[in-house]
Formats: sequence, structure tokens, C-alpha cells
Amino acid sequence: QKEVEQNSGPLSVPEGAIASLNCTYSDRVSQSFFWYRQYSGKSPELIMSIYSNGDKEDGRFTAQLNKASQYVSLLIRDSQPSDSATYLCAVRNSGTYKYIFGTGTRLKVLA
Amino acid sequence: DAGVIQSPRHEVTEMGQEVTLRCKPISGHDYLFWYRQTMMRGLELLIYFNNNVPIDDSGMPEDRFSAKMPNASFSTLKIQPSEPRDSAVYFCASSLWTGMNIQYFGAGTRLSVL
Repeated sequence: QKEVEQNSGPLSVPEGAIASLNCTYSDRVSQSFFWYRQYSGKSPELIMSIYSNGDKEDGRFTAQLNKASQYVSLLIRDSQPSDSATYLCAVRNSGTYKYIFGTGTRLKVLA
Repeated sequence: DAGVIQSPRHEVTEMGQEVTLRCKPISGHDYLFWYRQTMMRGLELLIYFNNNVPIDDSGMPEDRFSAKMPNASFSTLKIQPSEPRDSAVYFCASSLWTGMNIQYFGAGTRLSVL
């Protein structure tokens, strides 16, 4: 079992819809969780971080964390074609400073 | 701040040659990470440093790979000798250990070994 798992996609949603991206992780001591967006040919850029159970909202983005079920999700409201990218989930476990990345979910927002 | 700066942006070399990738972290950051990204394996951590000291190099694929951080503002990743399977995008990232320890990535170096 991979430490951080994501569906590779592509996930296609129409413009204006809500895109829901999911990530599961295997280590129960995982402490911090991150969502990075990566456009084709570019470097990953941080869009959300979360470390407490529940929801965290930032503009059109909402991160949801459920430590009991070991999953973290990202909701993108009012999806735009410019949101089309690969979204990487990353997890940092307690006692270490390194991230474990999932392989990413490719999102396509159709105009 | 200019962000994490990597050079070169693209490197094309022949099998057997030595390759050196360079990274300048964000000023004041005390952690530096080297990653490799491929379609098949995604983003893999190779090594990371704290205050210029290597902390975890368990991701370095083999002895052909080495990394140094001689000072707080410069790090290198060297591959000698290079092989076609080393072709990938290599990213450097830096972070500051406060709160969430967020990593900021450089633009990457696209390496092609022929």
C-alpha cells in the first residue's frame, strides 16, 4: 500500500461546478497535510494546508481533513478552466520534516 | 524574495557524463529538499538538509548521486556517471521550521540523458 494515494484521473468537471479531489494516507501519526497545484511544465505551488480535523476554507478552495478515516480532500467551488492542473496531496508525519507526496490527480475544467 | 532559484533550467547530456544541478534556497530558510519527478513515480524525495547538514538521504537512488550544501545559500546535486534512466525533472525546495513547515519549490531542472 502506498503511503499517500490519489486517483490519477483525469477528473473532468464543467466550468462553474464543484471539483472534489481526494487523498488517503496510511500512517496514523501523520500530522500536517498539504495540497499543491502543478501546471504542466511548472513547479508545485502550495494552495492549502491543514492540520486539524474539519474544514478550512480559503476563497474558492476548501480543504477537509478526517484523521479517523485517514483522508483529506480538496473542494474547488466555481471551477474555472484556469484550475485545470495536477493536484498533489502531501503528508508530513510527526517526528520528521519531510513530505510524502501522492502521484497527483489531473483535473480538467471544461469551458 | 526571489524564491528558490535553480540552475540550469534544462540540461541535456550524454550517458556517462557528470551532471551538476544547483539550488539557492529562500534566504533565511533552514531546510532544503531535493526531489525528482517522473511520470511513472511522481515526486520523490531524494535528500534533505537542515542547517546545511544532510538529515535523510534514504531516497538517493544509488552511489552515483551525491548532494552537498556548503553554506546556507547554496546546494548541489551531482550525478556521476549519468544514465538515461536519470532523465527527469529535479526540483529543489526550501522551508522554514515554523508552524506548518511549508515547502516552496524552485522552477526545476529538466534533465535529459541521451
